[in-house]
Amino acid sequence: DIVMTQSPDSLAVSLGERATINCKSSQSILYSSNNYNYLVWYQQKPGQPPKLLIYWASTRAAGVPDRFSGSGSGTDFTLTISSLQAEDVAIYYCQQYYYIPYTFGQGTKLEIK
Amino acid sequence: ELQLVGSGGGLVKPGESLRVSCEASGFTFANFAMNWVRQAPGQGLEWVAYISKSSTDIYYADSMKGRITISRDDARNSLHLQMNSLRVEDTAVYFCARELPWLDTWGQGIQVTVSS
Repeated sequence: DIVMTQSPDSLAVSLGERATINCKSSQSILYSSNNYNYLVWYQQKPGQPPKLLIYWASTRAAGVPDRFSGSGSGTDFTLTISSLQAEDVAIYYCQQYYYIPYTFGQGTKLEIK
Repeated sequence: ELQLVGSGGGLVKPGESLRVSCEASGFTFANFAMNWVRQAPGQGLEWVAYISKSSTDIYYADSMKGRITISRDDARNSLHLQMNSLRVEDTAVYFCARELPWLDTWGQGIQVTVSS
């Protein structure tokens, strides 16, 4: 199975500042035949299902504010929130869909400093 | 509006069975693979099961393999998860999710509690 490891486990950032969350996969999730990274980022708020933010490692889902961006390739990935808003307080998860079993990172809890 | 509405959760005793379901609307259900993902209290997300279009391919997480069966009824736009021999550690919120191949649309979650 592919192990997904996020860092840090928790993060406190001031409003308007940048937040960076990292995700590392235990093996490459870059599919060479199409050059796509099979990585997605979700945001989850208490009592809600996960919400899709980013897919193919760097493509923003419809309706997601442009302060959210994804980067990285191969085994190392980053989710960046360029200017933290109060409504961004949540737990963020990365997930690989390179092959089954799909696996998630352990989550990063983002709070306001 | 894309929607997945879950049902069938509840409180059961260890060793008992439960079937949870998800009804889809707002899209052509038969055209999409579907998944179940669960979340134990205060924990992260764990993928549980996958079913392809037309049910040709089915996969299960090792943690539940042999105890669960995923199925779909395209005529009724419904996804099901039959869970047998439930354990205390199966207590979780169970989410159904549409696959694109990323999971783009999620149900609201179905609470399953296994306790004596």
